[in-house]
Amino acid sequence: GQQVMQIPQYQHVQEGEDFTTYCNSSTTLSNIQWYKQRPGGHPVFLIQLVKSGEVKKQKRLTFQFGEAKKNSSLHITATQTTDVGTYFCAGYSAGGTSYGKLTFGQGTILTVHP
Amino acid sequence: DGGITQSPKYLFRKEGQNVTLSCEQNLNHDAMYWYRQDPGQGLRLIYYSQIVNDFQKGDIAEGYSVSREKKESFPLTVTSAQKNPTAFYLCASRDALWGSNTEAFFGQGTRLTVV
Repeated sequence: GQQVMQIPQYQHVQEGEDFTTYCNSSTTLSNIQWYKQRPGGHPVFLIQLVKSGEVKKQKRLTFQFGEAKKNSSLHITATQTTDVGTYFCAGYSAGGTSYGKLTFGQGTILTVHP
Repeated sequence: DGGITQSPKYLFRKEGQNVTLSCEQNLNHDAMYWYRQDPGQGLRLIYYSQIVNDFQKGDIAEGYSVSREKKESFPLTVTSAQKNPTAFYLCASRDALWGSNTEAFFGQGTRLTVV
């Protein structure tokens, strides 16, 4: 079945440094979604990428979807303490018996030292 | 307010007892999901449902059961067969129009501790 792998598992940065997390799927994805979970909270949707090679930006966050639609990345420029949390990628199964199945990566836990 | 509600927030049970976690949504979403979160293991899918009276096993369904008798409700039962039930359980829902891949909305979670 579909597997979504995410690296690194942990990332510690100094405030102001950049951060990147990578997501790889064992199968071609119809789209990729990114979520953020603050410590003690629940995952909250950030963005969805649909097109091959798509790049989207949200302020200091840049999201990319690979040309083959099997990988994605999230890059944060000049991290702030408010960026602390766990970042997850997630992909849908597009068809067959697993239609609608939403699989999450293991997540990257980001800590930011002021 | 529209949203997805999980109750209770904290739950303690003795080993060997079944326990049911509640998940209710008033977003009129067709699809609902149950995930388990353990430290360092991300979100693992237990069960999901695309429509009332239908549900599918996720990646770690053993020791769990669900029902979907109403659109707004998707309760999860953790049975005594689940070997390591202590975890943080998250319920999610999404608008599942055919062919669309919409965002998932999560509840606040239930932290289950089995002693």
